Amino acid sequence: AQSVSQHNHHVILSEAASLELGCNYSYGGTVNLFWYVQYPGQHLQLLLKYFSGDPLVKGIKGFEAEFIKSKFSFNLRKPSVQWSDTAEYFCAVIPFSGNEKLTFGTGTRLTIIP
Amino acid sequence: DGGITQSPKYLFRKEGQNVTLSCEQNLNHDAMYWYRQDPGQGLRLIYYSQIVNDFQKGDIAEGYSVSREKKESFPLTVTSAQKNPTAFYLCASSNHGQPQHFGDGTRLSIL
Repeated sequence: AQSVSQHNHHVILSEAASLELGCNYSYGGTVNLFWYVQYPGQHLQLLLKYFSGDPLVKGIKGFEAEFIKSKFSFNLRKPSVQWSDTAEYFCAVIPFSGNEKLTFGTGTRLTIIP
Repeated sequence: DGGITQSPKYLFRKEGQNVTLSCEQNLNHDAMYWYRQDPGQGLRLIYYSQIVNDFQKGDIAEGYSVSREKKESFPLTVTSAQKNPTAFYLCASSNHGQPQHFGDGTRLSIL
């Protein structure tokens, strides 16, 4: 079974700082990868996804993520964060095996200080 | 607008009582999912259904039951066998390989 690790449980940054949230997964085959965001009091929203092709994917609100297959990683980045980026971020993986089980990481709470 | 509707938003359960959480989608998605979200544990899959009249257990199915009689509906019953039901429950839907869309959630508490 696949698993997802997000090592940063809570990250606190000042506005305009650069962000990188780690995500590692364990699965030997082809995967689709996702980052979801949950703003306070709101439902989960898709931030970006990787299916195939260019390993550097760009999402909404200036976020991007890079898929490094050799490292089984899909880290989320943003060059300059804003106070409105305060939220919880979840990495998720679904294998290409036909099993539709999406596996989530435990999440990273991001707090941006104005 | 297409989307996923979960109801109620807040639900209270007495000891020994079964309660049912509703999830309806009008996105014409084939697959539907139920997750439980607890602080510090992320989302854990309870049950999922890839097609009408079929569903599979997720990672924490004990104490829960589901049905999928219609494509747009996937209700979750939290039975009295679930000893720690207090949590935030999220329903999602998708088509094959595509990102999942989530509802606003139901917060279940024990009286």
